[in-house]
Amino acid sequence: KNEVEQSPQNLTAQEGEFITINCSYSVGISALHWLQQHPGGGIVSLFMLSSGKKKHGRLIATINIQEKHSSLHITASHPRDSAVYICAVIRMSGSRLTFGEGTQLTVNP
Amino acid sequence: EPEVTQTPSHQVTQMGQEVILRCVPISNHLYFYWYRQILGQKVEFLVSFYNNEISEKSEIFDDQFSVERPDGSNFTLKIRSTKLEDSAMYFCASSLTGYYNEQFFGPGTRLTVL
Repeated sequence: KNEVEQSPQNLTAQEGEFITINCSYSVGISALHWLQQHPGGGIVSLFMLSSGKKKHGRLIATINIQEKHSSLHITASHPRDSAVYICAVIRMSGSRLTFGEGTQLTVNP
Repeated sequence: EPEVTQTPSHQVTQMGQEVILRCVPISNHLYFYWYRQILGQKVEFLVSFYNNEISEKSEIFDDQFSVERPDGSNFTLKIRSTKLEDSAMYFCASSLTGYYNEQFFGPGTRLTVL
């Protein structure tokens, strides 16, 4: 079983829709990253959080440490948001990232 | 804004050849990482490096792999004798410290082993 599970695997939305991507993990962590990967392959860090909620523009990330669950929300989605969104955790015992499989998001105009 | 850079962007090699992938981490960062992503699969951790030595490595990082910080700026991953299954995108990342610190990724090197 994967230590980091994301859902859904694929998500198609219409421009303007509110989007939620979920991440559950089974290990103790010190922090969780949400990352974005574009078709060219490059990875960009969107958020790193260990508690509560963070907001950056139209992106909001929340985490519930007790429930071992995090969500990434995109408000007023736009076609340029189309990418793979990846959840990755830093375990308590080290600094390596353990990655989820990613969620492929497609936003249609 | 400071960024992690990687060269080359694409490397094609023959099976059995040695390759060196190069990374320049962000200048004041102390922790360096290599990750890889086989096409269609999730990103996997290879190795972390701090204070001129390996701090963690995965089961993937066997004797065929080595890392080095040859000078104050470069961080390299060497694969001694490449196999077909080494074909992947290799990402370098760096962070200021190892714990609770954001990792910044380079653009990746796509390695193709023929």
